[in-house]
Amino acid sequence: GDSVTQMEGPVTLSEEAFLTINCTYTATGYPSLFWYVQYPGEGLQLLLKATKADDKGSNKGFEATYRKETTSFHLEKGSVQVSDSAVYFCALSYNFGNEKLTFGTGTRLTIIP
Amino acid sequence: EPEVTQTPSHQVTQMGQEVILRCVPISNHLYFYWYRQILGQKVEFLVSFYNNEISEKSEIFDDQFSVERPDGSNFTLKIRSTKLEDSAMYFCASILRESSYNEQFFGPGTRLTVL
Repeated sequence: GDSVTQMEGPVTLSEEAFLTINCTYTATGYPSLFWYVQYPGEGLQLLLKATKADDKGSNKGFEATYRKETTSFHLEKGSVQVSDSAVYFCALSYNFGNEKLTFGTGTRLTIIP
Repeated sequence: EPEVTQTPSHQVTQMGQEVILRCVPISNHLYFYWYRQILGQKVEFLVSFYNNEISEKSEIFDDQFSVERPDGSNFTLKIRSTKLEDSAMYFCASILRESSYNEQFFGPGTRLTVL
């Protein structure tokens, strides 16, 4: 079956550092890929998505590129802020059908001033 | 901005008791989901619901679980006889589904603790 693997957390960085959170997937078809973010006390929010190979999703300074050859969708940001502290989830789903999401375990990110 | 709400935020129950977790999806959305996350583990799909019936369910969603949309606004998850291993964060989500892909909107979750 389909699965998503994320780098283990927690991750602690200083403000303005470069961020990479690794995500790889195993899929039987051609899924769309997503990053969701969960801020303390809130629900999961879509951060960015990519629906086909070589697409780059971007939002709020975060980027991720759908790499079919390496089955990866790593999340990057050039300069993190304290407000980026949250839990980040990588996920996949298929565009047709009931679109259930298959998630990774989540990576807790803490940014220190 | 419309949002998905869930109540309660934290539910504590004794093993063997029934619990009902409540969700109010965004009002014009048509597809509804429950997911759960056991502490330290992945967020797992439980069930999807459309047009007043289950469209897909996972292996986790056994006979102890049920869902319903009793009044056109609430979407509930019932666990008939809770087990210790049901302790988890439960998330509700909804989508509009106008096109081939719509973003799933998630609620803040209900933390269920079974003692």
